[in-house]
Amino acid sequence: GAVVSQHPSWVICKSGTSVKIECRSLDFQATTMFWYRQFPKQSLMLMATSNEGSKATYEQGVEKDKFLINHASLTLSTLTVTSAHPEDSSFYICSAEPWGRVRETQYFGPGTRLLVL
Amino acid sequence: GESVGLHLPTLSVQEGDNSIINCAYSNSASDYFIWYKQESGKGPQFIIDIRSNMDKRQGQRVTVLLNKTVKHLSLQIAATQPGDSAVYFCAETSMYSGGGADGLTFGKGTHLIIQP
Repeated sequence: GAVVSQHPSWVICKSGTSVKIECRSLDFQATTMFWYRQFPKQSLMLMATSNEGSKATYEQGVEKDKFLINHASLTLSTLTVTSAHPEDSSFYICSAEPWGRVRETQYFGPGTRLLVL
Repeated sequence: GESVGLHLPTLSVQEGDNSIINCAYSNSASDYFIWYKQESGKGPQFIIDIRSNMDKRQGQRVTVLLNKTVKHLSLQIAATQPGDSAVYFCAETSMYSGGGADGLTFGKGTHLIIQP
């Protein structure tokens, strides 16, 4: 149980295009999902907290107009990288917190590797 | 823990030996700690967690120790196997900060290499 999926697993796009990444909790509901970014040989950095039915909360230094987050249902959150540039190339990972189990284990997705040319 | 730096610390151990991976955390308000294992190109995989009202917790072949006095966390892996080769991250959060859920703050990570 507690499986989180991401789609796509990898994407290559041209500079200036927008890319949407999906995060789904497959066998549980999640009112809260989190988006992280990981550069090569570095740790995961929290970008934003996605709350079902409300606006996302962004960490300091993360542009909310560039990284659009939508959490329209209890099993799906999407991250859209708008007007992507080469510096946005990274490994994007989401996690989900099972509904009713606040501040317990977060379950991570397999990640989406984005390469912007 | 603060996530900075371009190079992960590396720990190399012989297969069958025990390994200890250390982590220093910075937020004294953190009260829930987790160890994750990350294999190349994959998302983090939960290993074991511990709450601040405990100082030790054991799982299958793994033990987590928490020293709140010096804000130190360690992960012990017994009888290491080739499949244990990965990057290990500690993560921290505060369960009772009020309001909604909090994201995790990850440590720098340690690359564990198992020598045959």
